[in-house]
Amino acid sequence: DIQMTQSPSTLSASVGDRVTITCRASQTISRWLAWYQQKPGTAPKLLIYKASTLEGGVPSRFSGSGSGTEFTLTISSLQPDDFATYYCQQYNGYEGTFGQGTKVEIK
Amino acid sequence: EVQLVESGGGLVQPGRSLRLSCTASGFIFGDYGINWVRQAPGKGLEWVSYIRSKPAGATTEYAASVKGRFIISRDDSKNIAFLQMNSLKTDDTAVYYCARKGFSGNFFDFWGQGTPVTVSS
Repeated sequence: DIQMTQSPSTLSASVGDRVTITCRASQTISRWLAWYQQKPGTAPKLLIYKASTLEGGVPSRFSGSGSGTEFTLTISSLQPDDFATYYCQQYNGYEGTFGQGTKVEIK
Repeated sequence: EVQLVESGGGLVQPGRSLRLSCTASGFIFGDYGINWVRQAPGKGLEWVSYIRSKPAGATTEYAASVKGRFIISRDDSKNIAFLQMNSLKTDDTAVYYCARKGFSGNFFDFWGQGTPVTVSS
Protein backbone atom coordinates (compact mmCIF):
# COMPACT_ATOMS: atom_id res chain seq x y z
CA ASP A 1 0.00 0.00 0.00
CA ILE A 2 1.17 3.52 -0.79
CA GLN A 3 1.46 5.79 2.25
CA MET A 4 1.22 9.57 1.97
CA THR A 5 2.92 11.87 4.48
CA GLN A 6 2.17 15.58 4.64
CA SER A 7 4.19 18.25 6.41
CA PRO A 8 3.70 20.28 8.42
CA SER A 9 0.59 19.06 10.26
CA THR A 10 -0.25 22.62 11.26
CA LEU A 11 0.94 25.89 9.77
CA SER A 12 0.38 29.35 11.24
CA ALA A 13 0.49 32.15 8.69
CA SER A 14 -0.74 35.67 8.02
CA VAL A 15 -2.77 37.10 5.17
CA GLY A 16 -0.39 37.78 2.28
CA ASP A 17 2.13 35.11 3.25
CA ARG A 18 3.49 32.59 0.78
CA VAL A 19 2.64 29.11 2.07
CA THR A 20 4.07 25.75 1.02
CA ILE A 21 2.79 22.31 2.03
CA THR A 22 4.75 19.15 1.23
CA CYS A 23 3.42 15.69 0.47
CA ARG A 24 5.64 12.60 0.20
CA ALA A 25 4.65 9.22 -1.20
CA SER A 26 6.14 5.96 0.09
CA GLN A 27 6.77 4.88 -3.51
CA THR A 28 6.75 6.59 -6.86
CA ILE A 29 3.35 7.72 -8.12
CA SER A 30 4.48 9.59 -11.23
CA ARG A 31 2.25 12.71 -11.21
CA TRP A 32 -0.93 11.01 -10.00
CA LEU A 33 -1.53 13.41 -7.13
CA ALA A 34 -4.43 15.66 -6.19
CA TRP A 35 -4.87 18.39 -3.57
CA TYR A 36 -8.08 19.25 -1.72
CA GLN A 37 -9.20 22.04 0.58
CA GLN A 38 -11.64 21.34 3.40
CA LYS A 39 -13.34 23.83 5.69
CA PRO A 40 -15.04 22.73 8.94
CA GLY A 41 -18.37 21.01 8.45
CA THR A 42 -18.10 20.92 4.66
CA ALA A 43 -17.00 18.44 2.02
CA PRO A 44 -13.51 18.63 0.55
CA LYS A 45 -13.06 20.64 -2.61
CA LEU A 46 -10.71 19.63 -5.42
CA LEU A 47 -7.98 22.22 -6.07
CA ILE A 48 -5.36 20.49 -8.21
CA TYR A 49 -4.99 17.16 -10.02
CA LYS A 50 -2.17 15.48 -11.93
CA ALA A 51 0.20 17.26 -9.54
CA SER A 52 -0.09 20.69 -11.15
CA THR A 53 -3.36 21.04 -13.13
CA LEU A 54 -5.61 23.63 -11.53
CA GLU A 55 -9.28 22.63 -11.32
CA GLY A 56 -11.65 25.06 -13.02
CA GLY A 57 -12.62 28.01 -10.85
CA VAL A 58 -9.71 27.64 -8.43
CA PRO A 59 -7.78 30.90 -7.93
CA SER A 60 -4.40 31.12 -9.63
CA ARG A 61 -2.66 31.81 -6.31
CA PHE A 62 -2.82 28.03 -5.80
CA SER A 63 -0.19 25.96 -7.60
CA GLY A 64 1.16 22.44 -7.39
CA SER A 65 4.43 20.86 -8.40
CA GLY A 66 6.41 17.66 -8.11
CA SER A 67 6.60 14.15 -9.48
CA GLY A 68 7.69 10.72 -8.32
CA THR A 69 7.53 10.82 -4.53
CA GLU A 70 7.71 14.51 -3.56
CA PHE A 71 5.05 17.12 -4.19
CA THR A 72 4.22 20.62 -3.01
CA LEU A 73 1.13 22.82 -2.82
CA THR A 74 1.91 26.54 -2.80
CA ILE A 75 -0.42 29.42 -2.01
CA SER A 76 1.37 32.51 -3.34
CA SER A 77 -0.44 35.09 -1.21
CA LEU A 78 -2.66 33.70 1.53
CA GLN A 79 -6.18 35.13 1.59
CA PRO A 80 -8.73 35.03 4.45
CA ASP A 81 -10.76 32.41 2.57
CA ASP A 82 -7.73 30.07 2.46
CA PHE A 83 -7.65 29.22 6.17
CA ALA A 84 -8.62 25.56 6.03
CA THR A 85 -7.22 22.03 6.07
CA TYR A 86 -5.46 20.75 2.97
CA TYR A 87 -5.11 17.11 1.94
CA CYS A 88 -3.02 15.44 -0.73
CA GLN A 89 -4.28 12.22 -2.34
CA GLN A 90 -2.44 9.76 -4.55
CA TYR A 91 -4.35 7.96 -7.30
CA ASN A 92 -1.63 5.81 -8.83
CA GLY A 93 -4.03 2.87 -8.57
CA TYR A 94 -7.70 2.63 -7.74
CA GLU A 95 -7.02 3.14 -4.04
CA GLY A 96 -6.99 6.85 -3.34
CA THR A 97 -4.79 7.21 -0.27
CA PHE A 98 -4.85 10.58 1.49
CA GLY A 99 -2.23 12.36 3.49
CA GLN A 100 -3.11 13.15 7.10
CA GLY A 101 -3.86 16.80 6.35
CA THR A 102 -2.28 20.21 6.97
CA LYS A 103 -4.27 22.77 8.91
CA VAL A 104 -3.50 26.36 7.89
CA GLU A 105 -4.29 28.64 10.82
CA ILE A 106 -4.30 32.39 11.30
CA LYS A 107 -1.09 33.60 12.94
CA GLU B 1 -24.95 21.73 -12.08
CA VAL B 2 -23.35 18.54 -10.77
CA GLN B 3 -24.91 17.40 -7.50
CA LEU B 4 -24.38 14.38 -5.28
CA VAL B 5 -26.70 13.89 -2.32
CA GLU B 6 -26.06 11.21 0.29
CA SER B 7 -28.73 9.74 2.53
CA GLY B 8 -29.28 6.79 4.83
CA GLY B 9 -26.92 7.62 7.65
CA GLY B 10 -27.87 7.38 11.31
CA LEU B 11 -27.25 5.66 14.62
CA VAL B 12 -26.80 1.88 14.48
CA GLN B 13 -25.64 -0.76 16.95
CA PRO B 14 -22.40 -2.67 16.45
CA GLY B 15 -22.88 -5.75 14.30
CA ARG B 16 -25.90 -4.32 12.49
CA SER B 17 -26.24 -3.11 8.89
CA LEU B 18 -26.95 0.18 7.16
CA ARG B 19 -27.34 1.13 3.49
CA LEU B 20 -26.23 4.53 2.25
CA SER B 21 -27.45 6.08 -1.00
CA CYS B 22 -25.83 8.65 -3.26
CA THR B 23 -28.25 10.33 -5.68
CA ALA B 24 -26.64 12.13 -8.60
CA SER B 25 -27.84 14.83 -10.96
CA GLY B 26 -26.42 17.28 -13.46
CA PHE B 27 -24.22 14.83 -15.37
CA ILE B 28 -24.40 11.51 -17.23
CA PHE B 29 -24.16 9.27 -14.19
CA GLY B 30 -23.44 6.10 -16.15
CA ASP B 31 -20.25 7.57 -17.61
CA TYR B 32 -18.51 8.01 -14.25
CA GLY B 33 -17.03 5.93 -11.49
CA ILE B 34 -18.24 6.66 -7.97
CA ASN B 35 -16.32 6.47 -4.72
CA TRP B 36 -17.19 6.50 -1.04
CA VAL B 37 -14.81 8.36 1.27
CA ARG B 38 -15.24 8.65 5.04
CA GLN B 39 -14.02 10.95 7.78
CA ALA B 40 -14.08 9.89 11.42
CA PRO B 41 -14.76 12.67 13.95
CA GLY B 42 -11.77 15.02 14.12
CA LYS B 43 -9.75 12.83 11.75
CA GLY B 44 -8.58 12.86 8.14
CA LEU B 45 -10.06 11.41 4.97
CA GLU B 46 -10.12 7.68 4.25
CA TRP B 47 -11.02 6.20 0.87
CA VAL B 48 -13.54 3.36 1.38
CA SER B 49 -14.76 1.96 -1.91
CA TYR B 50 -14.98 2.52 -5.68
CA ILE B 51 -17.25 1.28 -8.43
CA ARG B 52 -16.27 1.79 -12.05
CA SER B 53 -18.70 2.89 -14.71
CA LYS B 54 -20.57 0.20 -16.68
CA PRO B 55 -18.44 0.86 -19.80
CA ALA B 56 -15.40 0.12 -17.60
CA GLY B 57 -17.01 -3.07 -16.29
CA ALA B 58 -18.72 -1.75 -13.14
CA THR B 59 -16.09 -3.59 -11.13
CA THR B 60 -15.57 -2.73 -7.49
CA GLU B 61 -12.71 -2.06 -5.10
CA TYR B 62 -12.55 -1.81 -1.32
CA ALA B 63 -10.21 -0.58 1.36
CA ALA B 64 -8.76 -3.38 3.49
CA SER B 65 -10.60 -2.00 6.54
CA VAL B 66 -14.03 -2.70 5.00
CA LYS B 67 -13.38 -5.55 2.54
CA GLY B 68 -15.79 -8.43 3.14
CA ARG B 69 -18.21 -6.22 5.12
CA PHE B 70 -19.18 -3.41 2.73
CA ILE B 71 -20.68 -3.73 -0.75
CA ILE B 72 -20.81 -0.93 -3.30
CA SER B 73 -23.32 -1.01 -6.15
CA ARG B 74 -25.00 1.28 -8.62
CA ASP B 75 -28.33 1.69 -10.42
CA ASP B 76 -27.68 3.77 -13.50
CA SER B 77 -31.40 3.84 -14.41
CA LYS B 78 -32.01 5.85 -11.21
CA ASN B 79 -28.66 7.70 -11.02
CA ILE B 80 -27.95 6.22 -7.58
CA ALA B 81 -24.96 4.55 -5.99
CA PHE B 82 -25.23 2.52 -2.80
CA LEU B 83 -22.96 1.45 0.01
CA GLN B 84 -24.27 -1.54 1.93
CA MET B 85 -22.47 -1.65 5.26
CA ASN B 86 -22.68 -4.93 7.20
CA SER B 87 -21.18 -6.10 10.50
CA LEU B 88 -20.62 -2.51 11.52
CA LYS B 89 -17.97 -1.68 14.10
CA THR B 90 -17.53 1.37 16.31
CA ASP B 91 -14.50 2.27 14.14
CA ASP B 92 -16.86 2.75 11.19
CA THR B 93 -18.29 5.87 12.86
CA ALA B 94 -17.71 8.71 10.40
CA VAL B 95 -19.22 11.11 7.93
CA TYR B 96 -19.55 9.23 4.65
CA TYR B 97 -19.12 11.16 1.42
CA CYS B 98 -19.80 9.97 -2.09
CA ALA B 99 -17.47 11.47 -4.67
CA ARG B 100 -17.33 11.35 -8.42
CA LYS B 101 -14.23 9.98 -10.09
CA GLY B 102 -12.37 12.53 -12.17
CA PHE B 103 -12.44 11.92 -15.91
CA SER B 104 -8.69 11.35 -16.14
CA GLY B 105 -8.00 9.43 -12.94
CA ASN B 106 -9.42 8.31 -9.60
CA PHE B 107 -9.26 11.70 -7.95
CA PHE B 108 -12.54 13.16 -6.76
CA ASP B 109 -13.86 16.15 -8.67
CA PHE B 110 -17.29 16.49 -7.05
CA TRP B 111 -18.40 15.52 -3.57
CA GLY B 112 -21.71 15.22 -1.78
CA GLN B 113 -22.36 16.96 1.52
CA GLY B 114 -21.89 13.75 3.49
CA THR B 115 -24.12 11.64 5.71
CA PRO B 116 -23.12 10.84 9.32
CA VAL B 117 -22.99 7.26 10.56
CA THR B 118 -22.63 6.52 14.27
CA VAL B 119 -22.02 2.95 15.40
CA SER B 120 -22.68 2.70 19.11
CA SER B 121 -24.54 0.55 21.58
